Formats: sequence, structure tokens, C-alpha cells
Amino acid sequence: DAMVIQNPRYQVTQFGKPVTLSCSQTLNHNVMYWYQQKSSQAPKLLFHYYDKDFNNEADTPDNFQSRRPNTSFCFLDIRSPGLGDAAMYLCATSTRGGRLNEQYFGPGTRLTVT
Amino acid sequence: GQSLEQPSEVTAVEGAIVQINCTYQTSGFYGLSWYQQHDGGAPTFLSYNALDGLEETGRFSSFLSRSDSYGYLLLQELQMKDSASYFCAAPTGGGNKLTFGTGTQLKVEL
Repeated sequence: DAMVIQNPRYQVTQFGKPVTLSCSQTLNHNVMYWYQQKSSQAPKLLFHYYDKDFNNEADTPDNFQSRRPNTSFCFLDIRSPGLGDAAMYLCATSTRGGRLNEQYFGPGTRLTVT
Repeated sequence: GQSLEQPSEVTAVEGAIVQINCTYQTSGFYGLSWYQQHDGGAPTFLSYNALDGLEETGRFSSFLSRSDSYGYLLLQELQMKDSASYFCAAPTGGGNKLTFGTGTQLKVEL
């Protein structure tokens, strides 16, 4: 089945220790998104790629970076995680030209910062 | 800016009908989507209204009124498995991004 996969599902890192979260998709969608979601809050968009074009949200901290080496994979790098970065990180995909609003989400990676 | 407001929590009994409202202020409005998210799970797409009126998909229906900047999700014949968070969302950034509403936690009781 076509899907969005995130690894790992749970990640524990130390304060200030760089961490990378990964996302892959078999949907061949050209748009990929990274969201941060904290408890009882809505997903907050960090950035998205339209093909190889990177689009950063204005309020995304510089501590968060992303790479998309090809259509299928996208990575979220947190350079120096702080305690406030503990959250669920969701990857999603969509296709331009399809239903404007239908995004397909991966299961998420829950990040704990100790 | 974009803002979509929802009630924070709604409680209903199994078998009942519940309506979750969403009021929005957005520029360049394209339409309104709804997503369901169970605890610990990923958001999943439920419906999309591009035009005014009611869209029905099984037990779930979604309504949009552009003139009132308002929409709602209607859930009928509630089941325990419907207990989840529900988010309205509007496309922004030329349709390539979604801005999510504040979210409504639905609790279905026996």
C-alpha cells in the first residue's frame, strides 16, 4: 500500500545533541511537509518542499533544518534540541493538482529531550 | 494572517448527533477541510468543501458558508471510536499549505 513512513517512531535525545528524523513516501507526491505538534495543540507547519523548492515558515526557528534529497525522502534536522522541542513531529505529503487540501500524514515521531 | 477557531471540547453520547463548528478569518480562501486525529495517531483527511453547502460522506457531513466564514462537521450515529480530535483546516500559500484550526476534542460516552 502506498504510504508515508516515519522513522523512528520514538526518539530520545539529549539537550543540545543534534537529531535527525526521517520521512519517506511511496505516493510519489511532489509536496512534502514537516509539522510540529505539541500536546492538545494543532499541527504547526515548520516548512514544506514543493518538489525541490524549500519553503520555510517565517516563525520556524533556525534550529530546525530540512533536506529533501529526492522525491521519496525528506529529513528534519534539529541542530541543538532544547526542552521546548519535545513534541510529535509529523511528515505529510500532497500532490499539486489533486484535491487542494488532502494531505497524507505519516504516523509521526515522538521526540523526547532529556 | 489566518485563524480558524473551534470549540476546545465537545461531549456526546453514543448514537447521538454532534456538530463541531469552525469560524475562520483567512485571506485568499479556497475551501475548508476536516481532519480526524486519534490520540497518538496521525491526522486523517475526512472531507473538503470548496463550495457552499453540505457534503455527505457516510455518517459524516461537512457544511460551508462562505458568506458567514463558517463551517461545521456533523457526525451522526456516534460511536465510541469517533472519540478523537477534529481539526478544520484551510489551504493557504496558493493552496500548497494548510492552516489548521484550534482543534476540538470529541468525547463519546455510553
